[in-house]
Parts: sequence; structure tokens; C-alpha cells
Amino acid sequence: NAGVTQTPKFRILKIGQSMTLQCTQDMNHNYMYWYRQDPGMGLKLIYYSVGAGITDKGEVPNGYNVSRSTTEDFPLRLELAAPSQTSVYFCASSYSPPAGLYNEQFFGPGTRLTVL
Amino acid sequence: KNEVEQSPQNLTAQEGEFITINCSYSVGISALHWLQQHPGGGIVSLFMLSSGKKKHGRLIATINIQEKHSSLHITASHPRDSAVYICAVRSYNTDKLIFGTGTRLQVFP
Repeated sequence: NAGVTQTPKFRILKIGQSMTLQCTQDMNHNYMYWYRQDPGMGLKLIYYSVGAGITDKGEVPNGYNVSRSTTEDFPLRLELAAPSQTSVYFCASSYSPPAGLYNEQFFGPGTRLTVL
Repeated sequence: KNEVEQSPQNLTAQEGEFITINCSYSVGISALHWLQQHPGGGIVSLFMLSSGKKKHGRLIATINIQEKHSSLHITASHPRDSAVYICAVRSYNTDKLIFGTGTRLQVFP
């Protein structure tokens, strides 16, 4: 099993450009999450999904969009990149509901995004 | 004030030392997680606990629900333990994880 994979690892964008961060998991997890990590700050939840076709906003959703057409894939879209979106982005997945006993989250390796 | 506070922010140790990292939180929780972020950036889950104590190898995690406090201990520390250790709590109200800012540990030979 590859676990959670993310592409690309690094990306530099110009202000106003758009891009999609890819996330795939091969563990048949229903629950998937996107976080951003800024220097000196804890991870913040951007969007999450409880299953194919179902997504919901997290703590910091502005400027992002997601889709979940399959169980495996959970791409994150930036439509009009802004310098405030410079961050490291982590995708994660879990087997059980958040309150479940086995809700360990498995993280991808991260995507380092710089917007200039 | 952050809902999850970790101390210390930075920690250096000599190989073999006993390490303690603390986490205090101010919200009602259903579980607490300890995560390790490697120097390359990858994050792995170490423990999830809702009461008492858990042990895995040289790592021990404890939680005191009444005092809203958890500790992560590393016995016989080794340079490969050098990483950022992150405490995260699952809010009882929202079911979402709230993350601390992490403790950066460096263990020197």
C-alpha cells in the first residue's frame, strides 16, 4: 500500500494563477481531509469529506474548492492564487468517523506551495 | 489564547536523556493525538488516547482528563528522535482536530 500520496511536492505560482493539488489514498478510507500548515502555527483544516460525493468546509476554506468523485481521490483547487496561500498543504485520510475508536489519520507527504 | 498549548516550543537533549513534552488544552475533547513530523515534513500518528496511558517502544503518552493535560515521554532518547512533536485534540463539540503548534526536539549524540 502506498498510503496517502500527494502531488506535486513543490510548486511556485504567480498571483492569480490556479492549480490543483492532488491527493490519493489506497486504504479505502471514507474520510479525507485537507490541512494547511503555516510557520509557527498549528495545522488548520481547509475542507474535509466523509465519502464520495460529500464535502464540507473546515476552518479556513476561503480561496479553495474540493471535489470527491471517488473514494480514492480528493483534489484541492486554488482558483486565484494569493500570497496568503503560501503554505505547506497536507492531505490526510482515516477509516472511521472522527469520533470513532479507530480514527487515526494517515497523512500524505505534503505539498510546499509558494505564491509570488 | 490557543485552545491547545504545547511546551516547550523547542527542546535540545543529549542522547540517552529522558524527554518530556507537555500539552494543555482548554476545550472538551473526545480524544487526544500525538503526532511526529519528520525533518522532511512527513507526519505520522504516534498515539491516540482518551484516558490513562499508552506505551509504544520508548514512547509513553499519558493524559489527565480532569486537568486537561497530556504528556509525551521519550526514554533513552536518540538522534533519530529529532523531529517536531504535535499534540492535537478532537473537539467534543465539533469532532474536528485542533492542533498545537508543535515542539521541536533535537537530540545530539
